[in-house]
Amino acid sequence: EVVMTQSPATLSVSPGERATLSCRASQGVNSNLAWYQQKPGQAPRLLIYGASTRATGIPARFSGSGSGTEFTLTISSLQSEDFAVYYCQQYNSWPPYTFGQGTKLEIK
Amino acid sequence: EVQLVESGGGLVQPGGSLRLSCAASGFTFSSYWMSWVRQAPGKGLEWVANIKQDGSEKYYVDSVKGRFTISRDNAKNSLYLQMNSLRAEDTAVYYCARYGDHGYYFDYWGQGTPVTVSS
Repeated sequence: EVVMTQSPATLSVSPGERATLSCRASQGVNSNLAWYQQKPGQAPRLLIYGASTRATGIPARFSGSGSGTEFTLTISSLQSEDFAVYYCQQYNSWPPYTFGQGTKLEIK
Repeated sequence: EVQLVESGGGLVQPGGSLRLSCAASGFTFSSYWMSWVRQAPGKGLEWVANIKQDGSEKYYVDSVKGRFTISRDNAKNSLYLQMNSLRAEDTAVYYCARYGDHGYYFDYWGQGTPVTVSS
């Protein structure tokens, strides 16, 4: 099973600033990595797939990078609606598909 | 517009059973792998099971093997999860999710249905 580790667990950033979230895989997953955003009481929303491709309707301030075992989600200029929990997920080796434990992005 | 609407959750005693349903609309249901993903209270996301377009392949996370069964009815555009021998650790919100067009990520999710296993 591929273990996904996200860091940091909590990230405090001011609106308008850049946020950088990390995700590490215990073994290589090529570019088969997705990012999701989840707000309280809501279902997750797909942001990025293929490590760097934005999903339909996702603003350009969200970008993904990386391959193999190290991945990054960057939000270039934080808006109020971006404060949420973010999860990475690998889909290279399955079953099972595995998620990171999440990074909570909070307002500083 | 793609829509996934789960139902069937509720309170059940340990050892009991529950059947979840997911009604799909807005896309050709029979063309997509489908999955169930759960989230325990205050915890992260856990993939539970998936099923191929024609139902010929099914996979499960180890913790539910032998207890949960995923199925689908393409004529009714519906996905199901039969959950037997439920345990307290199965308590979670259960989401129905569709796989994307370019890989096994989840591009659409339902709103979730809560399952509580408690005496």
